[in-house]
Amino acid sequence: ILNVEQSPQSLHVQEGDSTNFTCSFPSSNFYALHWYRWETAKSPEALFVMTLNGDEKKKGRISATLNTKEGYSYLYIKGSQPEDSATYLCAYPGANNLFFGTGTRLTVIP
Amino acid sequence: NAGVMQNPRHLVRRRGQEARLRCSPMKGHSHVYWYRQLPEEGLKFMVYLQKENIIDESGMPKERFSAEFPKEGPSILRIQQVVRGDSAAYFCASSPTALGRNTIYFGEGSWLTVV
Repeated sequence: ILNVEQSPQSLHVQEGDSTNFTCSFPSSNFYALHWYRWETAKSPEALFVMTLNGDEKKKGRISATLNTKEGYSYLYIKGSQPEDSATYLCAYPGANNLFFGTGTRLTVIP
Repeated sequence: NAGVMQNPRHLVRRRGQEARLRCSPMKGHSHVYWYRQLPEEGLKFMVYLQKENIIDESGMPKERFSAEFPKEGPSILRIQQVVRGDSAAYFCASSPTALGRNTIYFGEGSWLTVV
């Protein structure tokens, strides 16, 4: 079992604010890190798969960075909108499955 | 392209009954994963299957739980003699190749309630 930790557990921001949260993972023998967005009553939706140290990926107002040497990734949301309200999960691949963190639940207040 | 399809979406069973959850992977995907989300917990891996083979069932309880992915038809997660603690959301995911740097695609889940 691989230890994947996310913080904070939950977050409330005002519409228009930018925000970020963290995923920590084992730094030895890094392979890849996955980010998912999960809206209530829907399926988790893949955002990014990050593989290279220093990598930065972007999808609209959402971006992510990766530091494999110290074992963390940041997810940033610029100018949060109510539709960004969701749980954001990171996951680290084991031999045959993804180990998920418990997620950061983001609520954007209009 | 249809996504990963799970059914039923909601299932209510009395203690001692059997629950069968079905998962049809995305077209062209031969790798299926089952995850469980217990209340107030994250997604926990249960089992990984390829067509007709169980590759890794290290996350599945030894008793009462079984999974299959036959040559034809959906993958089935079967829970015999359900107990209240089995109440959870069960998610299926699929991928075209083995994991690692490839995305896995999730279904919308099956919510099991044991009364």
